Amino acid sequence: KQEVTQIPAALSVPEGENLVLNCSFTDSAIYNLQWFRQDPGKGLTSLLLIQSSQREQTSGRLNASLDKSSGRSTLYIAASQPGDSATYLCAVRGIGGGSNYKLTFGKGTLLTVNP
Amino acid sequence: DAGITQSPRHKVTETGTPVTLRCHQTENHRYMYWYRQDPGHGLRLIHYSYGVKDTDKGEVSDGYSVSRSKTEDFLLTLESATSSQTSVYFCAISGTSEKLFFGSGTQLSVL
Repeated sequence: KQEVTQIPAALSVPEGENLVLNCSFTDSAIYNLQWFRQDPGKGLTSLLLIQSSQREQTSGRLNASLDKSSGRSTLYIAASQPGDSATYLCAVRGIGGGSNYKLTFGKGTLLTVNP
Repeated sequence: DAGITQSPRHKVTETGTPVTLRCHQTENHRYMYWYRQDPGHGLRLIHYSYGVKDTDKGEVSDGYSVSRSKTEDFLLTLESATSSQTSVYFCAISGTSEKLFFGSGTQLSVL
């Protein structure tokens, strides 16, 4: 059974700092990995999706990397802003049919960026 | 933003009553999902659908049923609500891009 872990559970940084959020998964047989953002009381918003054949994806100040063989992904946020404060979740999709094809979520990292 | 509407947004009900949550999409996406989110457990898949009348169970499906009679609608029914089903319920959809798009959620309280 796939397990996804995100460490740390919470992170507080001053504005302007570059930061890295970590995601690890136990089964390297994945189809893709997604990073999401969730604001309090809201649904999740997809930030970046990395296919298993890719090493990284970039969108603005966000860069996500994937090392499938070691079961790790990182989300790099450059020049953090107070508006980046949210919970960040990663999720992996398995390969094959049936239950393997579904997403498994980590529990998230609560990021606070202080002005 | 993806066109996903969940209704109701909030509901309070009593133990033992049936409850139906609705998810409506305007994106014509093939896949639809129901998740629940609880502190300490994160997001857990209840049921999902891969087409009209095609559904399958997720990891926490006991006590829940779903129906999808049209591409745009995916209903989640709690047959007889229990206090353990107090949670925030999210609907999500995905299409060929593989990205998952979430609705705004339904806060359900079972008293």
